[in-house]
Amino acid sequence: DIQMTQSPSSLSASVGDRVTITCRASQGISNDLGWFQQRPGKAPKRLISAASSLQSGVPSRFSGSGSGTEFTLTISSLQPEDFATYYCLQYNSYPRAFGQGTKVDIK
Amino acid sequence: QLQVQESGPGLVKPSETLSLTCTVSGGSVSRSSFYCSWIRQPPGTGLEWIGDIFYSGSTSYNPSLKSRVTISVDTSKNQVSLNLNSVTAADTAVYYCASHGIWGQGTLVTVSS
Repeated sequence: DIQMTQSPSSLSASVGDRVTITCRASQGISNDLGWFQQRPGKAPKRLISAASSLQSGVPSRFSGSGSGTEFTLTISSLQPEDFATYYCLQYNSYPRAFGQGTKVDIK
Repeated sequence: QLQVQESGPGLVKPSETLSLTCTVSGGSVSRSSFYCSWIRQPPGTGLEWIGDIFYSGSTSYNPSLKSRVTISVDTSKNQVSLNLNSVTAADTAVYYCASHGIWGQGTLVTVSS
């Protein structure tokens, strides 16, 4: 089974900061990776699919990159509504696997 | 636009079967590209993939749950169902269905006598 290791598990940042979250796969998954944002008490929302494809309506300050085993989610200028928990998901093979999550809170 | 909505009992007794329904609107569960996932999130923790079902009825399950879980499609009602038997308190979670990147709002299921 493929394991997804996400880091950091949490971070504190200020509005306007550049934030980078990393997901590592235990084996190559091509670009079969999605990123999700979950605000408190809400359902997850897909931000990015295929490692770097921004979903319709998602602000351009979000970007994804990577292929194979290492992937990053970058928020170029953190906004107040971006304080949330972020998860990666590999869908290259079964069983599907989420990363442990990265909580982004206010410094 | 595709939408999904979970429904079912909010309280289930230990050892009984948890049964949830995902109603799909804005698309057909019968179309050849359709697939749907069930995911759960225990309180205060991360996301756990439960399983997938495809339009053909083929399924794939999380090995940790495989012996207890069944996902099925009802084309007449345009719904996807989740059954998880022999539940314990560890199955208490918010359960989500998701299809083609669209998630439902989730439904909290508590296992308690």
